[in-house]
Amino acid sequence: EAGVAQSPRYKIIEKRQSVAFWCNPISGHATLYWYQQILGQGPKLLIQFQNNGVVDDSQLPKDRFSAERLKGVDSTLKIQPAKLEDSAVYLCASSLWSIPRYNSPLHFGNGTRLTVT
Amino acid sequence: GESVGLHLPTLSVQEGDNSIINCAYSNSASDYFIWYKQESGKGPQFIIDIRSNMDKRQGQRVTVLLNKTVKHLSLQIAATQPGDSAVYFCAENTGTASKLTFGTGTRLQVTL
Repeated sequence: EAGVAQSPRYKIIEKRQSVAFWCNPISGHATLYWYQQILGQGPKLLIQFQNNGVVDDSQLPKDRFSAERLKGVDSTLKIQPAKLEDSAVYLCASSLWSIPRYNSPLHFGNGTRLTVT
Repeated sequence: GESVGLHLPTLSVQEGDNSIINCAYSNSASDYFIWYKQESGKGPQFIIDIRSNMDKRQGQRVTVLLNKTVKHLSLQIAATQPGDSAVYFCAENTGTASKLTFGTGTRLQVTL
């Protein structure tokens, strides 16, 4: 099966600029996640979608971050305006079920590495 | 708040030896645990998972052990190979929650 696809792989922007990331989950996976991974740390959940509805966005900085999943398949994550501390790898993941479940784990893409200068 | 942590940030082992990566968790309500491997420039890759009603689960060259009494999780890799060099994360989930909580990771270095 094809994996989670993300683009772009790398992005360098100046602070206060905007940026968008795209994710295409594994076919048939209803749940999609966006994680932020700062260098040297574990991934931190930003937002979770179930089909095209938001399940959890409690850790999303909503003053600058936004995400959507139109039609319940692809998703985009946007940052506007970017800050230096947003430099990180943004990982998209998908799963069959709405709750991480035994033998049905989250599958991650290779991420987008964002550098804010 | 509740968190998942790791004892050792870096583990160096010789090729062919067995590796043991440890993880402590603090949420006694967690009922699902998972290990991921992350190579440089790649996303986390699923290795093995375990439910809280299990003590041990084996995969190909890997074994996960769960000790709920002391809230400890370990990943054992048999006959460690250079391709095993990566950062390993444990993560936990509670039954009613819908998100995994990741630890900070352990870097495994395999020496020849």
